[in-house]
Amino acid sequence: QKEVEQNSGPLSVPEGAIASLNCTYSDRGSQSFFWYRQYSGKSPELIMSIYSNGDKEDGRFTAQLNKASQYVSLLIRDSQPSDSATYLCALMWGGGNKLTFGTGTQLKVEL
Amino acid sequence: DVKVTQSSRYLVKRTGEKVFLECVQDMDHENMFWYRQDPGLGLRLIYFSYDVKMKEKGDIPEGYSVSREKKERFSLILESASTNQTSMYLCASSFRSAGNQPQHFGDGTRLSIL
Repeated sequence: QKEVEQNSGPLSVPEGAIASLNCTYSDRGSQSFFWYRQYSGKSPELIMSIYSNGDKEDGRFTAQLNKASQYVSLLIRDSQPSDSATYLCALMWGGGNKLTFGTGTQLKVEL
Repeated sequence: DVKVTQSSRYLVKRTGEKVFLECVQDMDHENMFWYRQDPGLGLRLIYFSYDVKMKEKGDIPEGYSVSREKKERFSLILESASTNQTSMYLCASSFRSAGNQPQHFGDGTRLSIL
């Protein structure tokens, strides 16, 4: 069974700060990793994907992957109140492009 | 933009009823998925399909079945609804690939079984 672990939070950060969200996983064979954002009552929305070790930047978001240590993280720079949501980490494995999701970290950006 | 459309946002049914949840995608995706999401348990895969008329069980298939007669449509069926099937149901789709195509989600159906 593939396991994806996230701290449920809530993680509170002041507006303008860097929010750091972390995720660990159990399957060394996993190749692709995704971060989804989910607002309360809404469906998950893809914000980042990462496949190789290192950093990948997209606007205010940076995904970091370390396969040797089996963790993936998401940094949000200049956090805004609109970033307040639950962030889901997911890894892709096996045939059929299945995803295993973590239970999510709730982020609160405070004014 | 990818569009995944679920037939209902909110649905209320009674115990024992047969319930159909419909999902349609417009991106010619090969893969389609049904999840349920419950507080503290996250997203759990019920069934998925990688081609027309093909289906595979996910982590929690008991009490559910699926149908995929056309590439763009994937239906989830609750054979005899029970109160423990009250949940948010999410449909997703993706291209079939070597393993780097993300899934795109519909808006979800919040199903209540009374």
